[in-house]
Amino acid sequence: EIVLTQSPATLSVSPGEGATLSCRASQSVSSNLAWYQQKPGQAPRLLMYGAATRAPGTPARFSGSGSGTEFTLTISSLQSEDFAVYYCQQYDNWRTFGQGTKVEIK
Amino acid sequence: QVQLQESGPGLVKPSGTLSLTCAVSGGSIFSNNWWTWVRQPPGKGLEWIGEIYNSGSTNYIPSLKSRVTISIDKSKNQFSLKLSSVTAADTAVYYCARDVDQHYFDCWGQGTLVIVSS
Repeated sequence: EIVLTQSPATLSVSPGEGATLSCRASQSVSSNLAWYQQKPGQAPRLLMYGAATRAPGTPARFSGSGSGTEFTLTISSLQSEDFAVYYCQQYDNWRTFGQGTKVEIK
Repeated sequence: QVQLQESGPGLVKPSGTLSLTCAVSGGSIFSNNWWTWVRQPPGKGLEWIGEIYNSGSTNYIPSLKSRVTISIDKSKNQFSLKLSSVTAADTAVYYCARDVDQHYFDCWGQGTLVIVSS
């Protein structure tokens, strides 16, 4: 099973600031990585796939990068609606998720 | 736009069978997609359970394979999850989702909480 480790567990950011979230895979997943955003009481929402491709409706302030075992989700300027939990998910071998990074208001 | 809606009992007794259905609307279950189940224990992360194609072909996560059955009902445009021999560890919000090319999940139901308790 491919294990995804996300860091940090919690990120405290002021509105308007940028944020960088990391996801590390226990073995290479090529670019077979997606990112999701989940708000309390809601289902996850697909943000990115193919490590760097924005899903329809994902604002341009979200960008993804990486390949192999190291991936990053960057939010350039946090808006109020961006405070949520973010999960990475690999689809190179079955499907597994990271444990999540909570982005909270500083 | 495709919408998914989970339904089923919110309370299941230990050792019993959890049964949930996902109704697909705004699109056909015969479309070129896989359909999947994901669960999330309260306050925890996401776990992929398994998937089904419109042909009935299935894949399950190895850790649950002996207890899981996912089936499809073409006449009702829905698919279902059965999880047998449940314990408190199976308490979770269960989501159904559309599975793009056996890769990522682009459309989700709102989720349904299932509690395993006597």
